[in-house]
Amino acid sequence: GAGVSQSPSNKVTEKGKDVELRCDPISGHTALYWYRQSLGQGLEFLIYFQGNSAPDKSGLPSDRFSAERTGGSVSTLTIQRTQQEDSAVYLCASSLLGRSYNEQFFGPGTRLTVL
Amino acid sequence: GESVGLHLPTLSVQEGDNSIINCAYSNSASDYFIWYKQESGKGPQFIIDIRSNMDKRQGQRVTVLLNKTVKHLSLQIAATQPGDSAVYFCAEILTGGGNKLTFGTGTQLKVEL
Repeated sequence: GAGVSQSPSNKVTEKGKDVELRCDPISGHTALYWYRQSLGQGLEFLIYFQGNSAPDKSGLPSDRFSAERTGGSVSTLTIQRTQQEDSAVYLCASSLLGRSYNEQFFGPGTRLTVL
Repeated sequence: GESVGLHLPTLSVQEGDNSIINCAYSNSASDYFIWYKQESGKGPQFIIDIRSNMDKRQGQRVTVLLNKTVKHLSLQIAATQPGDSAVYFCAEILTGGGNKLTFGTGTQLKVEL
């Protein structure tokens, strides 16, 4: 079956603009994760959704970042008033369940460049 | 905060040789450790994992060793091939802590022909 898909693959925006990044998880996966990969910080956790539970937002770097997951499937990560330091690859992953360890499958990422 | 991994080194090996990639972790409470491979322009791909109550696990051409005494994790790749060239990340997870992966900074593996 299809893996995790993300869109767009590349996004160039101007400082101060808002951007939305989309993630389509593997069908049937109840857990969805967002990570950010940047040169200075490596791969870092942003947010985690598990079923109908409240999301774990502990990794979001500022209140300019938000994410939602509609219908337990597709997720959108929104960055408001983008800054140059937001430039990074944003990776989405999904897994089965989530109460215990299950392999996380990653999408190809969205490369965000803030000019 | 807790962190996993070393600086980002580059490991160059000859095709056919064995590769050993190392990683240090700091959270002794983590219960799983995972190795990921990331090729250019792609997301991380799962290679192998090991539970904290084990010290060795083998897969196809790969072996992961866990030394909890010194908080050290290693990935051994046998008979390294050109297709193994990639960045390798170790990661740890505390399943009671929200299932979020904490990644190391990665190691670039270059396979020379």
